[in-house]
Amino acid sequence: KAGVTQTPRYLIKTRGQQVTLSCSPISGHRSVSWYQQTPGQGLQFLFEYFSETQRNKGNFPGRFSGRQFSNSRSEMNVSTLELGDSALYLCASSLGGAQDTEAFFGQGTRLTVV
Amino acid sequence: AQTVTQSQPEMSVQEAETVTLSCTYDTSENNYYLFWYKQPPSRQMILVIRQEAYKQQNATENRFSVNFQKAAKSFSLKISDSQLGDTAMYFCAFMDLHGQNFVFGPGTRLSVLP
Repeated sequence: KAGVTQTPRYLIKTRGQQVTLSCSPISGHRSVSWYQQTPGQGLQFLFEYFSETQRNKGNFPGRFSGRQFSNSRSEMNVSTLELGDSALYLCASSLGGAQDTEAFFGQGTRLTVV
Repeated sequence: AQTVTQSQPEMSVQEAETVTLSCTYDTSENNYYLFWYKQPPSRQMILVIRQEAYKQQNATENRFSVNFQKAAKSFSLKISDSQLGDTAMYFCAFMDLHGQNFVFGPGTRLSVLP
């Protein structure tokens, strides 16, 4: 079956702009989580959505937001981009139940802010 | 809050030899999950092995095994018969039973030398 698909793979934006990244989970998975990966901070949790509801949130400013659609696809949005937002953004999908810890990651979206 | 530490930023090993990657973590939880993920140059995070904290038996997956010491909060990964394809960043990760999100360590860059 198809894996986790993230689009676009690469993105270049200018400071102050906004950006939307997309993640299509594995069919049947209802949970989508987002992570930011940078050389300095490593992998940091942004938020997790389950059945269209944000179930968990990391420690990021309000410029970072997300949503999940009824087909479980998720988008994350970053407004008023800053240079420090340059990162690899990874999403992970899982079934989402309490014991469902197996997560599958996409290949990420590389965002560069100039 | 949970933290995960990997004290070896980089390691190298000769092909066919054995290498051990270290990981320690801090938590007040009694039940949780621990993981090792591999991130090759393709950037996709791949699950290597998973350990449930309430299981005393160390997890094993083919050439990969862990040494889980719950009291010491230590979770090391042993790779036997190292192969060139094992070259990657390796991340140790923690997940509690409530948050449904990973807390990752900073990673260890492993190079397998021919």
